[in-house]
Amino acid sequence: QQQVKQSPQSLIVQKGGISIINCAYENTAFDYFPWYQQFPGKGPALLIAIRPDVSEKKEGRFTISFNKSAKQFSLHIMDSQPGDSATYFCAASMLKTRGSTLGRLYFGRGTQLTVWP
Amino acid sequence: DGGITQSPKYLFRKEGQNVTLSCEQNLNHDAMYWYRQDPGQGLRLIYYSQIVNDFQKGDIAEGYSVSREKKESFPLTVTSAQKNPTAFYLCASSIYHSYNEQFFGPGTRLTVL
Repeated sequence: QQQVKQSPQSLIVQKGGISIINCAYENTAFDYFPWYQQFPGKGPALLIAIRPDVSEKKEGRFTISFNKSAKQFSLHIMDSQPGDSATYFCAASMLKTRGSTLGRLYFGRGTQLTVWP
Repeated sequence: DGGITQSPKYLFRKEGQNVTLSCEQNLNHDAMYWYRQDPGQGLRLIYYSQIVNDFQKGDIAEGYSVSREKKESFPLTVTSAQKNPTAFYLCASSIYHSYNEQFFGPGTRLTVL
C-alpha cells in the first residue's frame, strides 16, 4: 500500500516556466514532509522540507505548499531551468513516539522533470 | 569530508551467487538504511538500523540480509534467494533523534548476468 501518492510520473516544462509536483497522504500522524532531488546515477539529496504547522515554505525558487485538511502537499519550482531536470521524490515521516521505533520515511514513486531550454 | 560512501559503483554477479554491498558513513549518525530503486517504483526500504547490533526489516527484506557491527558500517548482502536483484541500491543515514532528514550515498548499480 502506497503511503504517499505522487503525481505526475513525468513532467516536461519550458525554461522559465513553473513546475508543479503533487503528493497526497492518508496517515494523519505524518508530521514531516521532505522533497528530495535526484540526478541520474546519483543518490537523492534533500531539497526542502516542511512541517504541518506552516502552510508554505520557500527557499529560493523552490516552494512547498501544504494543505493539512486535504492531506496534500506540492512542490513548485519557479523559473524552471534546464539544471533542474532531475527526478523529484516527495516523502512523509512521523516523529518517533513512545513505543514506536524509527521515524522512517515513506517515499512517493517520483516525478521525472525535464526542463527544455 | 563527511559523508556516505558506497562501493562498488557498479557490480555484476552471476545468478545463484551472493554479493555484499558496502556502505560506510563518517557523519556519526545513529540510523542507517538500505533502499532499492527501480524505474517508476520510487525508493523501497529493505532494512534499517537505529543502533549498533540492531536492525529491522523494511518493506522488501526477503532475499536480503544486513549486519551492523560498527556504527559507521551497514553492509547489505543480496542473496541468491532474491528473485530479481538487478536494481540501483542506495544507502542512507540520519541522526536518530531528528525529524529523520536522511543523507544518501551515491548508490551501487547491481546487475545479475
